Amino acid sequence: GEDVEQSLFLSVREGDSSVINCTYTDSSSTYLYWYKQEPGAGLQLLTYIFSNMDMKQDQRLTVLLNKKDKHLSLRIADTQTGDSAIYFCASAGTGANNLFFGTGTRLTVIP
Amino acid sequence: EAQVTQNPRYLITVTGKKLTVTCSQNMNHEYMSWYRQDPGLGLRQIYYSMNVEVTDKGDVPEGYKVSRKEKRNFPLILESPSPNQTSLYFCASTLSGGWNAPTDTQYFGPGTRLTVL
Repeated sequence: GEDVEQSLFLSVREGDSSVINCTYTDSSSTYLYWYKQEPGAGLQLLTYIFSNMDMKQDQRLTVLLNKKDKHLSLRIADTQTGDSAIYFCASAGTGANNLFFGTGTRLTVIP
Repeated sequence: EAQVTQNPRYLITVTGKKLTVTCSQNMNHEYMSWYRQDPGLGLRQIYYSMNVEVTDKGDVPEGYKVSRKEKRNFPLILESPSPNQTSLYFCASTLSGGWNAPTDTQYFGPGTRLTVL
């Protein structure tokens, strides 16, 4: 299967921008997703990017995709305490039968 | 309300005692899948089903069984649970085509936290 990697922890101050990075190995990945998981909760789809796009912006969220380096990032502008959660990137490989998840990045927002 | 439901939400059991975690969706989705979430490992796929009577193994199928006798239900069966199956389990469904489906038609259940003693 595909390998999707993320750093495990990130701390930022409230009001700053957060950048969560992700790398993947399958160059044929079509959709790349970002999910948010709050404590004790399920997965919430935040945003996604299709593989033929370089950037996608959705309110405070900006997704950047570098296909050459197989690198995906999620930028959260003006980070708030309510953004504290685990963020997963995920890649839908060819065949679409599986969604490969990264390890998750725990974002802590310091007031 | 469109949703994926799982039962039970929490379960503590003992080694070897057969159990079933149910998953049901009310959206007539064709694709359903089970994942387990473990710290530092993210989510890994256990089994998936592209449609009724069509199931296949994911990345970590050992120790699990599934069935898809009707479109709405996709139960996860642990015939003889072991402590290494202690985990958080998620069921998911998409309209069709698995994970390349339009993103507004993918849903995750709330999770089932299983502890095997």
